[in-house]
Amino acid sequence: GAGVSQTPSNKVTEKGKYVELRCDPISGHTALYWYRQSLGQGPEFLIYFQGTGAADDSGLPNDRFFAVRPEGSVSTLKIQRTERGDSAVYLCASSRQAGDSETQYFGPGTRLLVL
Amino acid sequence: AQTVTQSQPEMSVQEAETVTLSCTYDTSENNYYLFWYKQPPSRQMILVIRQEAYKQQNATENRFSVNFQKAAKSFSLKISDSQLGDTAMYFCAFKRTGANSKLTFGKGITLSVRP
Repeated sequence: GAGVSQTPSNKVTEKGKYVELRCDPISGHTALYWYRQSLGQGPEFLIYFQGTGAADDSGLPNDRFFAVRPEGSVSTLKIQRTERGDSAVYLCASSRQAGDSETQYFGPGTRLLVL
Repeated sequence: AQTVTQSQPEMSVQEAETVTLSCTYDTSENNYYLFWYKQPPSRQMILVIRQEAYKQQNATENRFSVNFQKAAKSFSLKISDSQLGDTAMYFCAFKRTGANSKLTFGKGITLSVRP
């Protein structure tokens, strides 16, 4: 079946602009995660959803970052007033549920470049 | 808070040889999960192997095996019969049990397999 997909694959924007990054999880997966991967680093957790609600948003760096998952499937990560430091690869992952033994399956990421 | 340390930034191995990638972690938890993920240039994170902390037996998946030393908080990955397709970044990751399902990653190691 189809894996996790993310669009766009690359996004270039100017400082101060607003961007939206989209994640389509594997069909039937109720848990969805966003991570941010800076150059030369491992992914860092941002937020995760169980169904429609954000179960843990402790990784969001500040209030310019926001994510939604209104119907419990597709999720959108929104970044307002982008800064050059926001440049990174944004990874999305999903799992059947947010249980102990569940494997997270990752998408290919969106590479965001803020000029 | 949990931390994951991968102190080797790069390694190189000859095709068909064996290589071991190191990982240490710090946690006060008794039960948890450990993972090795592979990230090729395509950026898609692929699960290589997982280990449940309560299991004493080391996990094995074909050419991949781990050496899990719980007391030492060490979790190394051994790749046998290295193949050119194993060239990638490898990340060690930690996950607590319970409601919080986020993964905590190390910085990663770049593995190059030489023909």
